[in-house]
Amino acid sequence: AQTVTQSQPEMSVQEAETVTLSCTYDTSENNYYLFWYKQPPSRQMILVIRQEAYKQQNATENRFSVNFQKAAKSFSLKISDSQLGDTAMYFCAFMKLGNTPLVFGKGTRLSVIA
Amino acid sequence: EPEVTQTPSHQVTQMGQEVILRCVPISNHLYFYWYRQILGQKVEFLVSFYNNEISEKSEIFDDQFSVERPDGSNFTLKIRSTKLEDSAMYFCASSLGGPGQGFNEQFFGPGTRLTVL
Repeated sequence: AQTVTQSQPEMSVQEAETVTLSCTYDTSENNYYLFWYKQPPSRQMILVIRQEAYKQQNATENRFSVNFQKAAKSFSLKISDSQLGDTAMYFCAFMKLGNTPLVFGKGTRLSVIA
Repeated sequence: EPEVTQTPSHQVTQMGQEVILRCVPISNHLYFYWYRQILGQKVEFLVSFYNNEISEKSEIFDDQFSVERPDGSNFTLKIRSTKLEDSAMYFCASSLGGPGQGFNEQFFGPGTRLTVL
């Protein structure tokens, strides 16, 4: 079975600064997907960024980038130039190939401070 | 932009009562999911539904739970006889394709908070 661990329940960052959220996972699969989802207060979860395990290049989406270390089973999210709108719960998630269910971590609550 | 919607946003019920949580997936999506999150714990998968039948279910999804797509737009989760430990946030999600069809993003609804007293 797959597990996802987020060791930082809460974090805060000053506006315009950079913050890194940590995620580790455990799986015996060789090919899979990893995701970061964002859930703003009282809003639905939205996909922030996705990484395919077979790709060595780290995914980037504008101010969001990941550091994917397959051997270490680590998948951290870096948010650059943090904005107030980045305040949210961030979930790391794992998915086996074939559109199987997502396996989530417990989440990290990020607060961006003006 | 199309969104997954869920009703109600908050449901309070007495232990032993039946509840039905409703979801309207994105209209051209074919694959539907229910997840739940007990306060302070991880989001957990309950069940997936494709082609009018359950595709996969977790060990949480026991005989007290059922899912249905009663018409072309709604997707429901029924809990037959609620227990205190069913108190959680329940999330519906939908995706365009099904298993083995390449990657398809799961789009989530805002959730229904179920409180069992």
